[in-house]
Amino acid sequence: QSALTQPRSVSGSLGQSVTISCTGTSSDVGGYNYVSWYQQQPGKAPELMIYDVSKWPSGVPDRFSGSKSGNTASLTISGLQAEDEADYYCCSQAVGYVVFGGGTKLTVL
Amino acid sequence: QVQLQESGPGLVKPSETLSLTCTVSAYSISSGYHWGWIRQPPGKGLEWIASISHSGSTYYKPSLKSRVTISLDTSKNQFSLKLTSVTAADTAVYYCARDLGGGTSDYWGQGTLVTVSS
Repeated sequence: QSALTQPRSVSGSLGQSVTISCTGTSSDVGGYNYVSWYQQQPGKAPELMIYDVSKWPSGVPDRFSGSKSGNTASLTISGLQAEDEADYYCCSQAVGYVVFGGGTKLTVL
Repeated sequence: QVQLQESGPGLVKPSETLSLTCTVSAYSISSGYHWGWIRQPPGKGLEWIASISHSGSTYYKPSLKSRVTISLDTSKNQFSLKLTSVTAADTAVYYCARDLGGGTSDYWGQGTLVTVSS
């Protein structure tokens, strides 16, 4: 039941793309197509950005995209905008429970 | 628009029981989905605690299972969390959320800070 592994921080320039990785095991990320990604602005509740590895909730721009290969899931944000600066968390179904990643702080330069 | 609102004491003494309630509006919790609790210690990441299905099946984080109980009150359209024997490590913002399944939480409460201190 260890947390999924994410880089503590990533950065990118306005208009560029960044990718955030989320590494788990065959008992969580690798074993289910139930990976979701959340954006959290300071002092706010998390917001769902991607679910079921690569699906978009209504209202989320398609600049955000998700993928998975083996035990690692990824969130890619293209065309970076200033408002994308936030903390990002991955989340996966595991065997009988749910596990989050440790979170990644995205800085937009 | 589905809305969730956490309520409960903001201060709990060590060794006592933390009790929180989530009131859901614009959706009947008995109609479907799962309903869950997630917490976030100050300055730290999100931690999934537990969830309950609309039919009452429960799921717990293994390391917390011995201390946690999640329950539904369909008559009030609420679900609740109880965490026993709390310590300072349980100090966190506690969020309730609607879980579509597999940890996909599409609606969240605003969160409530619970501090464990004597």
